[in-house]
Amino acid sequence: DIQLTQSPSFLSASVGDRVTITCRASQGISSYLAWYQQEPGKAPKLLIYAASTLQSGVPSRFSGSGSGTEFTLTISSLQPEDFATYYCQHLNSYPITFGQGTRLEIK
Amino acid sequence: EVQLVESGGGLVQPGGSLRLSCTASGFTFSDHYMDWVRQAPGKGLEWVGRIKNKAVTYTTEYATSVKGRFTISRDDSSNSLYLQMNSLRTEDTAIYYCTRGVVRTGFDPWGQGTLVTVSS
Repeated sequence: DIQLTQSPSFLSASVGDRVTITCRASQGISSYLAWYQQEPGKAPKLLIYAASTLQSGVPSRFSGSGSGTEFTLTISSLQPEDFATYYCQHLNSYPITFGQGTRLEIK
Repeated sequence: EVQLVESGGGLVQPGGSLRLSCTASGFTFSDHYMDWVRQAPGKGLEWVGRIKNKAVTYTTEYATSVKGRFTISRDDSSNSLYLQMNSLRTEDTAIYYCTRGVVRTGFDPWGQGTLVTVSS
């Protein structure tokens, strides 16, 4: 199985900050990586697919990059509604797996 | 509006069975692959399995942790997705989400989830 490791697992930041979350795959997955945001008590929401394509309706302050084994999610200027947990997911092969999550909290 | 609504969760004893349902609306259900994802209390997301569409003979894929115990099925005539869970274990306790899977793209949208609790 392909393992995804996110770093950091916990991030404390302020409104207006620029933050980056990294996702590393245990083997190459081309660009078959997605990012999700999950607010407490809610279902996950797709933010980015194919490593760097913004899902319709997602604000442009979110961006993704990478290919192969290393990927990043960047939020250019944090807004209050961005404080949530973020997950990466690979779709290269079965089984599909998720990273362990990065919890983003307000400093 | 594209929508997924799960039902069927509840309390079940270890070794028992439960069947979850998911009803889709707002899109052509029969065209799409469908997935189940679960989340144990306070934990991360775990993919459970997938059922493909008729074009690929409704092939299914499962996570190792549920293979042989869980079965995914669908009824395109009623826009419904199912998860039959047998030989349930305490570690199967989780919120179960149904979601529409796009091959090598991502899961969107997601249902609101249904809670399954396995406990004696």
